[in-house]
Amino acid sequence: NAGVTQTPKFQVLKTGQSMTLQCAQDMNHEYMSWYRQDPGMGLRLIHYSVGAGITDQGEVPNGYNVSRSTTEDFPLRLLSAAPSQTSVYFCASSTIQGYDYNSPLHFGNGTRLTVT
Amino acid sequence: KQEVTQIPAALSVPEGENLVLNCSFTDSAIYNLQWFRQDPGKGLTSLLLIQSSQREQTSGRLNASLDKSSGRSTLYIAASQPGDSATYLCAVSNNNDMRFGAGTRLTVKP
Repeated sequence: NAGVTQTPKFQVLKTGQSMTLQCAQDMNHEYMSWYRQDPGMGLRLIHYSVGAGITDQGEVPNGYNVSRSTTEDFPLRLLSAAPSQTSVYFCASSTIQGYDYNSPLHFGNGTRLTVT
Repeated sequence: KQEVTQIPAALSVPEGENLVLNCSFTDSAIYNLQWFRQDPGKGLTSLLLIQSSQREQTSGRLNASLDKSSGRSTLYIAASQPGDSATYLCAVSNNNDMRFGAGTRLTVKP
């Protein structure tokens, strides 16, 4: 039981390049989400999903795309990287029991992205 | 817009001391509040989750309280140990939307 797995751990991109951050969970969680963590600002929600085929925007969605084709995977795509997207990205998941969102979030170890 | 504030930003205490970390939020219409621990270079680990109908939760040496009406939560750590050194974050949830504080960096000196 690996929990939430993120790859890669580190990535350096040049401005304008695109890439996909991978996230997989093996806990059969319905809810998955992506956050970015910047110094002094806490974590901010980028996108989330409540199940396969369902995604929605969070607080800071611009410049990012997501899809959820399976319960296990929730990749985050950077369409055209910008220096402002330099950050640490975290994927998280949790169960949803009916409409009960009162389950703890499980986090991956993060991807540290630098855009030059 | 929900805003979450944690004070202090950093705290250093000697081993064995009891301590309190503070979290405040601006919108009392929350679903739950979670306290997380983050070690350097790692993800977040959920410590305690308090549902909106609850006043407190306890786990071992940790006790978290919630006062929705005043928009405040506290995390009490008893008999602190060097292994408690980490950044502690609180987050408030309204169903799908979760807002985090910037965290309190705790150092416990042997």
